[in-house]
Amino acid sequence: QSALTQPPSASGTPGQRVTISCSGSSSNIGSNSAYWYQQVPGTAPKLLLYWNDQRPSGVPDRFSGSKSGTSTSLAISGLRSEDEADYYCAVWDDSLSGVVFGGGTKLTVL
Amino acid sequence: EVQLLESGGGLVQPGGSLRLSCAASGFTFSTYWMHWVRQAPGKGLVWVSRINPDGSVITYADSVKGRFTISRDNAKSTLYLQMNSLRAEDTAVYYCARDVGGGHDQWGQGTLVTVSS
Repeated sequence: QSALTQPPSASGTPGQRVTISCSGSSSNIGSNSAYWYQQVPGTAPKLLLYWNDQRPSGVPDRFSGSKSGTSTSLAISGLRSEDEADYYCAVWDDSLSGVVFGGGTKLTVL
Repeated sequence: EVQLLESGGGLVQPGGSLRLSCAASGFTFSTYWMHWVRQAPGKGLVWVSRINPDGSVITYADSVKGRFTISRDNAKSTLYLQMNSLRAEDTAVYYCARDVGGGHDQWGQGTLVTVSS
């Protein structure tokens, strides 16, 4: 059982806005920056957001992040078929002295 | 172009050992923290270990502590993971990843480790 809790699945239609949540605790999200990764099955993960809400070069501004207390969220606006993938949140955990990943959310574009 | 290329995976019996390598190119390897992250078949990402640029700071997940050893050779731009006393639950694709500001901005393609008799 992961220290970070994500919904196992999410879905939306093309053009819609979808939000994926990630809930943690004071020892991880509550005190450190969160990261989001996108993984298309069969491929390596890709960094989507860093420091809670910053996009690496090349990531569309349709992807945004926010953090409040011990939770963080990923929002995808203008949903596209190519956004269908697994999404993971991650953060350093001070109690565990290690990186913790959420269990992952499978996004389906209907 | 930044590249990370893992190798060394394969089939090993329970209790056996394996050494993974991750050859880095396209960036100054010696200035970056590096990590190993694994993913069991059909499961999520799990962090395994990290090492600082000069190898003096190392951290492990509890699940591998005492069995796995991370190391690096900056002269060869290569990251290693020595895995001993392997268990069935260690079966996974192992990725090496570069750390930038706490996040993993570059990942290798992964190498599959299967622990089975």
